[in-house]
Amino acid sequence: SQQGEEDPQALSIQEGENATMNCSYKTSINNLQWYRQNSGRGLVHLILIRSNEREKHSGRLRVTLDTSKKSSSLLITASRAADTASYFCATDAYLSNAGNMLTFGGGTRLMVKP
Amino acid sequence: KAGVTQTPRYLIKTRGQQVTLSCSPISGHRSVSWYQQTPGQGLQFLFEYFSETQRNKGNFPGRFSGRQFSNSRSEMNVSTLELGDSALYLCASSLGTGDNEQFFGPGTRLTVL
Repeated sequence: SQQGEEDPQALSIQEGENATMNCSYKTSINNLQWYRQNSGRGLVHLILIRSNEREKHSGRLRVTLDTSKKSSSLLITASRAADTASYFCATDAYLSNAGNMLTFGGGTRLMVKP
Repeated sequence: KAGVTQTPRYLIKTRGQQVTLSCSPISGHRSVSWYQQTPGQGLQFLFEYFSETQRNKGNFPGRFSGRQFSNSRSEMNVSTLELGDSALYLCASSLGTGDNEQFFGPGTRLTVL
């Protein structure tokens, strides 16, 4: 089952605008990761934010994490047509065996119009 | 470093058959996880292998199984295929020491007729 919801499910913007996607989750986490997927291909890792971090930047990406609200947001600034893709958040809960088990949200389909 | 590779990229099978998918992780990564992606259920965790042992398992029937070899390469097997098994199967590799990124392969698209 999915950990939570992503909002919005779809987003259409013009090139140059900023895009914000939100992710909510249900249980305590070790970290939260954001991925991009183009047209049913593999997932590209964008950024990982740990539970003790509140904000992280990578190029045009900014991720925030609010563990008290169990939510995260991904901001893409100055969007480009090449940013058109589906974006997924995935939570990595703490496992006693130090294992990896990502639980994904439903994703946000972003379309950036030239 | 080379990325995660998966073979084959596409497969067409009929109901009742079985299938084996392969995944080669990034060099040095000891954990391989498998995920199923369908339009209806989204991305769901199948299982994770670490040092040739299944370390975690998702909620899938026993028809789904896997293994990992000493070189960290992993295979997953689906027996008695059903139409609902049609999906994109993704594998991900990581160091496996808890709090680290998982890197995904391009996936194998399985179609069951």
